[in-house]
Amino acid sequence: NAGVTQTPKFQVLKTGQSMTLQCAQDMNHNSMYWYRQDPGMGLRLIYYSASEGTTDKGEVPNGYNVSRLNKREFSLRLESAAPSQTSVYFCASTRTSGPYEQYFGPGTRLTVT
Amino acid sequence: QKEVEQDPGPLSVPEGAIVSLNCTYSNSAFQYFMWYRQYSRKGPELLMYTYSSGNKEDGRFTAQVDKSSKYISLFIRDSQPSDSATYLCAMSGNTGNQFYFGTGTSLTVIP
Repeated sequence: NAGVTQTPKFQVLKTGQSMTLQCAQDMNHNSMYWYRQDPGMGLRLIYYSASEGTTDKGEVPNGYNVSRLNKREFSLRLESAAPSQTSVYFCASTRTSGPYEQYFGPGTRLTVT
Repeated sequence: QKEVEQDPGPLSVPEGAIVSLNCTYSNSAFQYFMWYRQYSRKGPELLMYTYSSGNKEDGRFTAQVDKSSKYISLFIRDSQPSDSATYLCAMSGNTGNQFYFGTGTSLTVIP
């Protein structure tokens, strides 16, 4: 039981490049989330998916797209990376019914130059 | 006003001290309250979870929720150097669709 896994662990992009961050969970959770974490800003929600086939914007969705590929996988895509997207990205998952504990992946450290 | 407020610290205590970490919130609809521990360069790890008001104890850790004051606390007894980390509070309503996090409190326990 690996919990929540993320790939890659580290990535450096040039401005304008695109990439997809992958996330998978093996806990049979319905809901999945993408956050970014910046110093002094805490965790900010980018997008979430309450169930397979649905996605909703969070607090900071601009510049990102997501795909809920199936119940296990939720990917985050940066179409044209900008230096402001330099951050640590975390994927998380939780059950649809309570208790609503969130479980996080190890994170992806992204630098955009 | 932010949904959740948390003093960022940093907090530095000697080994064996009792540590008190706190968050306040503004949304009375919050029902689920969580504390996460995050070591440097790692993902947040769920530490404690409480539903509605009351206390919950797990080893050296005690979580308290006071919904009337919109105030939650995490107490760490007999603190250890391995407790040095950033502690984040989080909360959600009954649907669990969105979670609201504090910015985290950095704790260092000095041997």
